[in-house]
Amino acid sequence: AQSVTQLGSHVSVSEGALVLLRCNYSSSVPPYLFWYVQYPNQGLQLLLKYTTGATLVKGINGFEAEFKKSETSFHLTKPSAHMSDAAEYFCAVRSYGNKLVFGAGTILRVKS
Amino acid sequence: SQTIHQWPATLVQPVGSPLSLECTVEGTSNPNLYWYRQAAGRGLQLLFYSVGIGQISSEVPQNLSASRPQDRQFILSSKKLLLSDSGFYLCAWQSPGAHQETQYFGPGTRLLVL
Repeated sequence: AQSVTQLGSHVSVSEGALVLLRCNYSSSVPPYLFWYVQYPNQGLQLLLKYTTGATLVKGINGFEAEFKKSETSFHLTKPSAHMSDAAEYFCAVRSYGNKLVFGAGTILRVKS
Repeated sequence: SQTIHQWPATLVQPVGSPLSLECTVEGTSNPNLYWYRQAAGRGLQLLFYSVGIGQISSEVPQNLSASRPQDRQFILSSKKLLLSDSGFYLCAWQSPGAHQETQYFGPGTRLLVL
């Protein structure tokens, strides 16, 4: 069965600092992996996804993630945090039947 | 382009009252449709999904039901709400077929059961 673990329910960084949000997955099939962002009281917006091909994936708002099969990881990074990046971030893996399994989420706080 | 709508945006209901949340998608045909519930600190829980009109799959036993009366309409219902039904409900759509793996989410409905 597919599962996702996001390490750290809350992450706090200073504005301009590196953002690193961790995601580890378990999948019995070649994984399709996703990062979504959710701003307060809004739906989820796709940041980026990995399906096949290049393991370093670039997304919107300067975010990127690297698929590492040997580590079963798909960590999300951004070189320099901006106040507008404060939100909740969800990692997800495709499951059977075109369903997604989500992690519990990581709330990112950006300090000025 | 495709858009997804949910209403109402916010709802406060007494325990034991009925519920109807609606989700509609525009700009696509025969989408896969999903209902999720989000509780604080627990991520997203898939409640129902549908691959076509009248075709509903339930992921977890619960007090809720879903229906798909039209191709791009997905409804979440309950006959009698429980306190535990409070949460943020999200609808999502996905293009049908293989290699259409991305789900796109609506704005959500905040439900508070008192």
